[in-house]
Amino acid sequence: DSGVTQTPKHLITATGQRVTLRCSPRSGDLSVYWYQQSLDQGLQFLIQYYNGEERAKGNILERFSAQQFPDLHSELNLSSLELGDSALYFCASSVGGGLFEKLFFGSGTQLSVL
Amino acid sequence: AQKITQTQPGMFVQEKEAVTLDCTYDTSDPSYGLFWYKQPSSGEMIFLIYQGSYDQQNATEGRYSLNFQKARKSANLVISASQLGDSAMYFCAMREGTSGTYKYIFGTGTRLKVLA
Repeated sequence: DSGVTQTPKHLITATGQRVTLRCSPRSGDLSVYWYQQSLDQGLQFLIQYYNGEERAKGNILERFSAQQFPDLHSELNLSSLELGDSALYFCASSVGGGLFEKLFFGSGTQLSVL
Repeated sequence: AQKITQTQPGMFVQEKEAVTLDCTYDTSDPSYGLFWYKQPSSGEMIFLIYQGSYDQQNATEGRYSLNFQKARKSANLVISASQLGDSAMYFCAMREGTSGTYKYIFGTGTRLKVLA
């Protein structure tokens, strides 16, 4: 068990809908990262937060948004969902976001858009 | 732009033998970290080993070692004495960037199958 909690584990929804994925980092970790894993694009970095502030942005669509709350949990909001958004979404955390820090991953949220 | 390349989509290895998974990277930043993660069929991502760009010696963690060749920009993972439980997807990752704005990117992965 990595200590990173993601909910829900599975999510099935329809095109055009909006969903929220939730992540609780390991106790003491200040940085949260979101990744999208799909079969054809591997593990894509979406966004990183450190202690409530956005720190790095990857290939995150404008339809997607995220935030990190004062208690350090994070939410990833996906709106106007399309079939292509179906993927495994991972949250990861690290202590501070330093250069040589390893990431601890949650078990992921499997999103299916029908 | 940073880039991680894993050219082997799939690999087979006989149980108890060693296997090398290739990873090359591209960066102009002198400070960076290289990581390997394992993803079993159950889906979770498990950290295996890391190498800092200034580390003089290759990293080792049990049966895992990282063959770091800085001039060639390669960071190959070597698994010794392969076990059936090593069958999984393996991802190479790199982190670089200025303080506080590091991006942590992954390669496309190599699927390893250990044969009995």
